[in-house]
Amino acid sequence: AQSVAQPEDQVNVAEGNPLTVKCTYSVSGNPYLFWYVQYPNRGLQFLLKYITGDNLVKGSYGFEAEFNKSQTSFHLKKPSALVSDSALYFCASGVSGGYNKLIFGAGTRLAVHP
Amino acid sequence: GAGVSQSPRYKVAKRGQDVALRCDPISGHVSLFWYQQALGQGPEFLTYFQNEAQLDKSGLPSDRFFAERPEGSVSTLKIQRTQQEDSAVYLCASSSGGRGETQYFGPGTRLLVL
Repeated sequence: AQSVAQPEDQVNVAEGNPLTVKCTYSVSGNPYLFWYVQYPNRGLQFLLKYITGDNLVKGSYGFEAEFNKSQTSFHLKKPSALVSDSALYFCASGVSGGYNKLIFGAGTRLAVHP
Repeated sequence: GAGVSQSPRYKVAKRGQDVALRCDPISGHVSLFWYQQALGQGPEFLTYFQNEAQLDKSGLPSDRFFAERPEGSVSTLKIQRTQQEDSAVYLCASSSGGRGETQYFGPGTRLLVL
């Protein structure tokens, strides 16, 4: 079965430090991968995606993610965290042959401390 | 331009009541998705429309769930005879179609069944 895993329920980081939120995937064929962020009582906001091409993808608000095919990972990174980055982050993968429907990880709560 | 909108934002229903949740996608988007997000979990796919055609309803949990998009724009998710386990946030997303296209999410409807 195809799946997306986010191994950390929560990530804590000090403001100004680099952050990484981990994601691994298990899908058939060539994956396409997304990161979304969710603030309280709001829907999911798109951050970035990997479809093909350069393994390093840059997205909104200074976030980037690196696609690693050999490790089946798509970790989200930011060089310098802000308190306002504190939110719930979801990794998702498109399903091959599945009309673009997405499979989501369980989410990782990012807490950035001043 | 306007994003995806959903109404109502909150709905409290007594067990056994029928509810209808509305989604207004981004204008011109041919693809529309419904997802269910239980507390503390990632969204799970319910159903997919391409224009007015419901091409995938494999995620609908029971025959009490019904979705329609009669004119290829606004969509309604209906839940008949609601049960407590239906309590969740229901998210709608739309995209311009095509493999790998970004899905843009609405704010969701939080349904509480008492």
